[in-house]
Amino acid sequence: AQSVTQLDSQVPVFEEAPVELRCNYSSSVSVYLFWYVQYPNQGLQLLLKYLSGSTLVKGINGFEAEFNKSQTSFHLRKPSVHISDTAEYFCAVIFVVNDYKLSFGAGTTVTVRA
Amino acid sequence: NAGVTQTPKFRVLKTGQSMTLLCAQDMNHEYMYWYRQDPGMGLRLIHYSVGEGTTAKGEVPDGYNVSRLKKQNFLLGLESAAPSQTSVYFCASRRIENTGELFFGEGSRLTVL
Repeated sequence: AQSVTQLDSQVPVFEEAPVELRCNYSSSVSVYLFWYVQYPNQGLQLLLKYLSGSTLVKGINGFEAEFNKSQTSFHLRKPSVHISDTAEYFCAVIFVVNDYKLSFGAGTTVTVRA
Repeated sequence: NAGVTQTPKFRVLKTGQSMTLLCAQDMNHEYMYWYRQDPGMGLRLIHYSVGEGTTAKGEVPDGYNVSRLKKQNFLLGLESAAPSQTSVYFCASRRIENTGELFFGEGSRLTVL
């Protein structure tokens, strides 16, 4: 079965501390991987994506993620967070046999405290 | 530069009433999608369209219908609303060549009493 799992529903973190959000997927076919961010009362916007090539991808706002095929993971990291990073983060996957559809994880709420 | 615009942004319905959510995009995108967002469940795909005049079912299509008569518009209809359809609905669009890069509207919050 194909699925996307975000292992943490809520992550509290202090300002200027690092943060890691975990994402694992299950698939018997090739995948494309994405992280989206949703700020309060807004739609989602793309942070970064992995389609092929280097397994370390950099995105907007200082975020990066690493694709690990053997562990079927795509964890998101930021070395130093700001208050403005408070948001909900979604891992998403395209199972390449059908590239029309993006499947989302349940989301991780990051709350940055001063 | 409007991007993806959803109307209405808020709506309260009684069980059994019908309504239509409108999504309009001005980016000439080929693909359009309707998702619903519920706490702890992420976004689930209701229906999608890969071009004008085409629609297809997603993960949770029951109780919804869609139409894409014009390339820029994607309508989501509820024929007989149920409390289980209380949710936040998001429309999104993308270009064919931009795999996975969806542009989202700001959402439509629907409450069914």
